[in-house]
Amino acid sequence: RKEVEQDPGPFNVPEGATVAFNCTYSNSASQSFFWYRQDCRKEPKLLMSVYSSGNEDGRFTAQLNRASQYISLLIRDSKLSDSATYLCAKGNTDKLIFGTGTRLQVFP
Amino acid sequence: SAVISQKPSRDICQRGTSLTIQCQVDSQVTMMFWYRQQPGQSLTLIATANQGSEATYESGFVIDKFPISRPNLTFSTLTVSNMSPEDSSIYLCSVEGQGISYNEQFFGPGTRLTVL
Repeated sequence: RKEVEQDPGPFNVPEGATVAFNCTYSNSASQSFFWYRQDCRKEPKLLMSVYSSGNEDGRFTAQLNRASQYISLLIRDSKLSDSATYLCAKGNTDKLIFGTGTRLQVFP
Repeated sequence: SAVISQKPSRDICQRGTSLTIQCQVDSQVTMMFWYRQQPGQSLTLIATANQGSEATYESGFVIDKFPISRPNLTFSTLTVSNMSPEDSSIYLCSVEGQGISYNEQFFGPGTRLTVL
């Protein structure tokens, strides 16, 4: 089993929709989790760190469920510019282990 | 976050040759990392570049194939040696963040390598 697993999608949603992605992980000792956004032919950019208490940044909400070993990303009021691949990552000592990414396509 | 640059941004190389990729950061960082992202795949860590000592390689990656230098706290190089078409990939360096989140990393723009 991969250490970090994501549904590759694509998720095709209309503008204004709410969309949620989950990412499951193994090794409950992991302490840090992140969501990255990667546009086509670009490097990943850090979107959010994921804290145990959950955190929100504008239209984006990230949550951590340690009991079920998953993290989630909720995007409200989707914009065309949200179209990208969303990668989850977990920390493992000094390293990050990435999922394969979930592709989101927002259409007009 | 730190400003990270990579050179070259892309290259097309012949089988059997080697390419050295440079990563420059505008501030001193302790941890630098090299990743590979093959077409349609996620990021795979190649090695952690340690200043003043040998790099730490992940399973499946060896120093003879991917020698790494880290002469100071702002610079690192990754060489892809004796290339084959299977080495065609995007190579990215990253650095640890300076914020409060442990393990947070920021990426350079990547080097797109095509091996013919």
